[in-house]
Amino acid sequence: EAQVTQNPRYLITVTGKKLTVTCSQNMNHEYMSWYRQDPGLGLRQIYYSMNVEVTDKGDVPEGYKVSRKEKRNFPLILESPSPNQTSLYFCASSLLGRVYEQYFGPGTRLTVT
Amino acid sequence: AQKVTQAQTEISVVEKEDVTLDCVYETRDTTYYLFWYKQPPSGELVFLIRRNSFDEQNEISGRYSWNFQKSTSSFNFTITASQVVDSAVYFCALTSGGGADGLTFGKGTHLIIQP
Repeated sequence: EAQVTQNPRYLITVTGKKLTVTCSQNMNHEYMSWYRQDPGLGLRQIYYSMNVEVTDKGDVPEGYKVSRKEKRNFPLILESPSPNQTSLYFCASSLLGRVYEQYFGPGTRLTVT
Repeated sequence: AQKVTQAQTEISVVEKEDVTLDCVYETRDTTYYLFWYKQPPSGELVFLIRRNSFDEQNEISGRYSWNFQKSTSSFNFTITASQVVDSAVYFCALTSGGGADGLTFGKGTHLIIQP
């Protein structure tokens, strides 16, 4: 089954404790991206990657890092989380040039206290 | 820059009423794609429809229908005979699709269907 998986699905952590949210897809997609969703703001893109070792900033990249060492994985790294990063995070993937056919993961609900 | 406006923050109707969710978009691209997603209380995004800029034909799927009008840059979504299970946040989104930009989402409309 074609899918995008995220782990963990729920996470409560404390300010400053480094964390990684993993994202994996099994569709051999080149393009992967991360979004955050906040009440009243919709979804906003954090980072995207067009292929292995190729990443770029989206609209709200501050406080986040990503890496793309393998085609199937695109982890989101919060090196020093802060309460304003409490949000619902979605990973998505698609074939390059076909962003209009993005598959979304199930979401990761992160709370930073 | 692309922009999607969902002016209705929250709509509350009684079950069986019809309801229309508005979506107005801005883009300079001639080729673009419009979407509607449903987000139930469980949080996942449920894809409802995708429309490209060259296809202005309206679409109906069961109780759902979509009205795409390029002349007014709108892509409105109507639920006929609403049901409690339709209660969710609905997002309209836009992308040019061919480049590296992801989807530009509206802020969402919270739809409440009261029994």
